[in-house]
Amino acid sequence: EVQLLESGGGLVQPGGSLRLSCAASGFTFSSYAISWVRQSPGKGPEWVAAISGSGGNSYYADSVKGRFTISRDNSKNMLYLQMNSLRAEDTAVYFCAKRDGAFDVWGQGTMVTVSS
Amino acid sequence: EVVMTQSPATLSVSPGERATLSCRASQSVTSNLAWYQQKPGQAPRLLIYGASTRATGVPARFSASGSGTEFTLTISGLQSEDFAVYYCQQYNSLFTFGGGTKVEIE
Repeated sequence: EVQLLESGGGLVQPGGSLRLSCAASGFTFSSYAISWVRQSPGKGPEWVAAISGSGGNSYYADSVKGRFTISRDNSKNMLYLQMNSLRAEDTAVYFCAKRDGAFDVWGQGTMVTVSS
Repeated sequence: EVVMTQSPATLSVSPGERATLSCRASQSVTSNLAWYQQKPGQAPRLLIYGASTRATGVPARFSASGSGTEFTLTISGLQSEDFAVYYCQQYNSLFTFGGGTKVEIE
């Protein structure tokens, strides 16, 4: 079964850092680009970052550029999102999503709350 | 950035009836358009990709059409499990989602 499982969310103070992880299984991980997508309470999804299958190319939404870094370890079938300089507006559920054209497989999400 | 606009924000429909949802892109996204269904507490679920192709396991009552900047999702014979929020997403130029249409029971 194709599966993505996020972890690493939690409560962090403004200006703080957090690292999210996404464990993949059931497919050839290195063959697919993966994205992070977030969803604030009561809002629609917002794409955050994407990384190519090889890890050689990454892309970011303007709202997180310079603060967030996406990376992957294909030997471990793992995706990461390093989040620095966190702001209240970064509060959201963060999903990882496999891309095959559209986002065909999603994890269950991990909640990130930025608050003092 | 490509802006995706969905209408209406809320659609009240009786079970068994048809629901028609619209999505407009601020510039052409060709056929790189997907539709997702989301229920409370769950991740979005891919319904349609390539503007009109149903994803694996999606019932035939879901159909979609459009290209360029205008897209439509139609749900024929609404079932109880179809009441949810629906999002369109373009993946022609990075990725952007619409604001969603909530399909609720009338």
